[in-house]
Amino acid sequence: DQQVKQNSPSLSVQEGRISILNCDYTNSMFDYFLWYKKYPAEGPTFLISISSIKDKNEDGRFTVFLNKSAKHLSLHIVPSQPGDSAVYFCAASYNTDKLIFGTGTRLQVFP
Amino acid sequence: GAVVSQHPSWVICKSGTSVKIECRSLDFQATTMFWYRQFPKQSLMLMATSNEGSKATYEQGVEKDKFLINHASLTLSTLTVTSAHPEDSSFYICSAPHREGLLYEQYFGPGTRLTVT
Repeated sequence: DQQVKQNSPSLSVQEGRISILNCDYTNSMFDYFLWYKKYPAEGPTFLISISSIKDKNEDGRFTVFLNKSAKHLSLHIVPSQPGDSAVYFCAASYNTDKLIFGTGTRLQVFP
Repeated sequence: GAVVSQHPSWVICKSGTSVKIECRSLDFQATTMFWYRQFPKQSLMLMATSNEGSKATYEQGVEKDKFLINHASLTLSTLTVTSAHPEDSSFYICSAPHREGLLYEQYFGPGTRLTVT
């Protein structure tokens, strides 16, 4: 039972354009959401998070949007850079520090 | 920012032997740490919650006798894979939550690649 899903296993975007990574969840109890970037054979690196009381959080080139009614969140990267190429995981938690991770989306930013 | 380290970064062992993986929070105390496992091209699966001074809490389907967790201090948690088998080969990652005022993050270690031959 995959509570957090990323339906696009991969995404290819041209440098300078916007990258939009999507994440859906099924558990309405989740109250905190995070995005991580990961390279092979390395631990995830925290990017940005959002609490369920908000619908948007912005940090530099990264913006996370949360639509609670649709149980959907998205990560926008503008402008995309080649160094952004990695696997991106969304994660969710409720009332605890335990994180439930999505399946990941491999982002490739080409020149 | 806060740092979490893991040791070793990779290990190869023979089937039937035990392997210990350490997870340390380097500049903050962590009463709770988490252990994840990631198979190639798959998501990070939470295995267990490591609690300082008490027993670990295991996720459904994770054998507690096979994956022994010890959280002996506020900066160290260990995961011991006992009687390892080739199917235990995976990438093991630990994490530790850290709060400072209103700031909350969960920091991950660099991971340990275990290969059982």
